[in-house]
Amino acid sequence: DVKVTQSSRYLVKRTGEKVFLECVQDMDHENMFWYRQDPGLGLRLIYFSYDVKMKEKGDIPEGYSVSREKKERFSLILESASTNQTSMYLCASSFFGTSGINEQYFGPGTRLTVT
Amino acid sequence: AQSVSQHNHHVILSEAASLELGCNYSYGGTVNLFWYVQYPGQHLQLLLKYFSGDPLVKGIKGFEAEFIKSKFSFNLRKPSVQWSDTAEYFCAVTPYGNNRLAFGKGNQVVVIP
Repeated sequence: DVKVTQSSRYLVKRTGEKVFLECVQDMDHENMFWYRQDPGLGLRLIYFSYDVKMKEKGDIPEGYSVSREKKERFSLILESASTNQTSMYLCASSFFGTSGINEQYFGPGTRLTVT
Repeated sequence: AQSVSQHNHHVILSEAASLELGCNYSYGGTVNLFWYVQYPGQHLQLLLKYFSGDPLVKGIKGFEAEFIKSKFSFNLRKPSVQWSDTAEYFCAVTPYGNNRLAFGKGNQVVVIP
């Protein structure tokens, strides 16, 4: 059974703190993604990675960075948390399909509140 | 950049009613299309997908979607909804061979018993 896990379901941090969100997948997928989900805005891609140590910016990378040192693990870092980063953060992974079928598998999400 | 449009963000309907959610995308080439569902408190999960072949795709829980290439649309349907279909539904599109999905803003569907 496919599995994407995220380190925390709920997190409360103060403005200015450095925040780490961890994601682990056990499917040996090449691709991993970080999204934020906000009501009425859907899912917006922050960063993604298609291989170890590789990363690409998504649609809203400002204020975030990522790290992928191992294939199964993809970390999202908020260098200095701000209140407008309060959101639900979703991690996903997918295989690198040459046929173009790139179904993504999602983790349960981390609800981050920055006060 | 490609975009995905979902209309009628909030949908309220009674059990046994029919459901249709629209999805339109802006990318002109070959695409892969997905509908994801997020039940209250649960993971986002795949409902159905289209990559080629029959444009009418059947998914889980009685859902189906029709790809109409000329209209750049991939509408989701269910003939008779149940209370358990209360969820948020997201359409997603990716160009063929691309690993990056573009999501619509979602449809919040509430089914009243």
